[in-house]
Amino acid sequence: GDSVTQMEGPVTLSEEAFLTINCTYTATGYPSLFWYVQYPGEGLQLLLKATKADDKGSNKGFEATYRKETTSFHLEKGSVQVSDSAVYFCALQGGTGRRALTFGSGTRLQVQP
Amino acid sequence: EPEVTQTPSHQVTQMGQEVILRCVPISNHLYFYWYRQILGQKVEFLVSFYNNEISEKSEIFDDQFSVERPDGSNFTLKIRSTKLEDSAMYFCASSERADLLYFGPGTRLLVL
Repeated sequence: GDSVTQMEGPVTLSEEAFLTINCTYTATGYPSLFWYVQYPGEGLQLLLKATKADDKGSNKGFEATYRKETTSFHLEKGSVQVSDSAVYFCALQGGTGRRALTFGSGTRLQVQP
Repeated sequence: EPEVTQTPSHQVTQMGQEVILRCVPISNHLYFYWYRQILGQKVEFLVSFYNNEISEKSEIFDDQFSVERPDGSNFTLKIRSTKLEDSAMYFCASSERADLLYFGPGTRLLVL
């Protein structure tokens, strides 16, 4: 079945540091890929998505590129802020015809001033 | 901006009791979902609902679980006889076209 693997956290960075959170997936077919973010006390919010190979999703300075050859969708940001502190979830949809999202375990990011 | 709301935010119950978790999806959305996250584990799919019936469910969603859209706005998840292992954060989500899901803030359920 479909699965998503994320790097374990927490990831602790200083403000303005470069961020990478690794995500790899296993799926048959052609899934869509997503990053969701969960700020403290809030629900999951869609951060960005990509629906086919080589697509780049971007939002709020975050980027991720759908790499079919490495089955990866790593999240990057060039300069993090304290307000980026949250839990980040990688997810896929539709790899086997299912519409339900399959999530990774989440990576907590802590950005220190 | 429209958002998905959930009530209650926290629920504590005794093992064997029934609980009902409530969700108000975004008003023009047609697809509804429940997910859960046991502490420290992955967010797991439970069930999806469209056109007043279940369209997809996971192995977790056994006979102890049921969903209902009792009126035009609410979407509920009922657990008939709670077990300790049902303790989790339960997220409701809705979608206009089954592509982009909008999640609520969650209900934290603790079964004692």
